[in-house]
Amino acid sequence: NAGVTQTPKFQVLKTGQSMTLQCAQDMNHEYMSWYRQDPGMGLRLIHYSVGAGITDQGEVPNGYNVSRSTTEDFPLRLLSAAPSQTSVYFCASSPGRPPQPQHFGDGTRLSIL
Amino acid sequence: KQEVTQIPAALSVPEGENLVLNCSFTDSAIYNLQWFRQDPGKGLTSLLLIQSSQREQTSGRLNASLDKSSGRSTLYIAASQPGDSATYLCAVYTENTGNQFYFGTGTSLTVIP
Repeated sequence: NAGVTQTPKFQVLKTGQSMTLQCAQDMNHEYMSWYRQDPGMGLRLIHYSVGAGITDQGEVPNGYNVSRSTTEDFPLRLLSAAPSQTSVYFCASSPGRPPQPQHFGDGTRLSIL
Repeated sequence: KQEVTQIPAALSVPEGENLVLNCSFTDSAIYNLQWFRQDPGKGLTSLLLIQSSQREQTSGRLNASLDKSSGRSTLYIAASQPGDSATYLCAVYTENTGNQFYFGTGTSLTVIP
């Protein structure tokens, strides 16, 4: 059972480049979310989706785009990477909206030079 | 905005010792509180979930307590083992401030054989 799969695990970008972080889940979960984890700070919510075709902003959405064309996939796009976006990114899913407990992927470590 | 604090940031104990990790939050109107374990390079694994109406939850050697009125939760680990070495995070769900989970910064635990 794969659960929540994130790719890539590591990525280095130059300032201004764009890229997409992939997230896929095989549990038929309706709710999916993206967090970033920075040293000395708790995980912060970037964007979330309550189902295919529906997305909304979290606490720190600037500089990121998301889409949800299928139940399984929830990619996160960095439009023009900035050093401030250097972080570890986690994707999570749950059967329904919070406060249902979420299942987390292993994360993507992203460095912006 | 809900603020979640975990003290200490790091803890080192000899194997076999009982220990307590602390989590405090500023808005007591929480729906639930969850404790997670995070191993290096991995995502978050849920350990215990306490609903706001509960005072504690137990799983094996782990016991989590909740005191909503004082804005505190503790995670008690009995007879610690080297395999318990990890970062432990708490997260609270609150409906008053943003309808999302708010995470603490974690306590990094090292159990010395």
